[in-house]
Amino acid sequence: NAGVTQTPKFRVLKTGQSMTLLCAQDMNHEYMYWYRQDPGMGLRLIHYSVGEGTTAKGEVPDGYNVSRLKKQNFLLGLESAAPSQTSVYFCASSGGTRTPWELFFGEGSRLTVL
Amino acid sequence: KQEVTQIPAALSVPEGENLVLNCSFTDSAIYNLQWFRQDPGKGLTSLLLIQSSQREQTSGRLNASLDKSSGRSTLYIAASQPGDSATYLCAVQGSGYALNFGKGTSLLVTP
Repeated sequence: NAGVTQTPKFRVLKTGQSMTLLCAQDMNHEYMYWYRQDPGMGLRLIHYSVGEGTTAKGEVPDGYNVSRLKKQNFLLGLESAAPSQTSVYFCASSGGTRTPWELFFGEGSRLTVL
Repeated sequence: KQEVTQIPAALSVPEGENLVLNCSFTDSAIYNLQWFRQDPGKGLTSLLLIQSSQREQTSGRLNASLDKSSGRSTLYIAASQPGDSATYLCAVQGSGYALNFGKGTSLLVTP
């Protein structure tokens, strides 16, 4: 009963490096989201997807790209990391048949950009 | 833009007390409101979801109420326990897919 799984859990990057965060869900949910959580700022939506092959911008999309090639996976990419992208990233999904708008979150990926 | 505010930012109570956490939002045109719990270093766990047509939801010792017209929700925790110590976040969903989160209330229940 994995739910939402994020990899990696921790990563340290140097400015300018690229990386991809992977989110996988096993609940057959249609909707998936990437949030970032920063002290004093709360959770802010980066990008989201309403189904396989779709993506849309959230509140803070600049510097990030996403892809949803398979329904169960949602990838978040940083092409050229900046120190301002140091944060904890959370993936979430929703779309269950009983409670379609209840969000299920992963454990988070802590990224540090030096 | 929807603004979600949670008061207080931090709260410390002795075990056994009943307590209320507050959430307010600026735009009453919401689809639902959700309360989450977050333990240190962990993800968020959904506690209660209230649809816009509902006034309250209950789960065990938790009761959440919603007053759309005044832009307020409360989370009531009965007979608090040390295991309830966590950060509690409120989030509202408008016409879109995204949730707007408050910054949370950090709760400490002391034995």
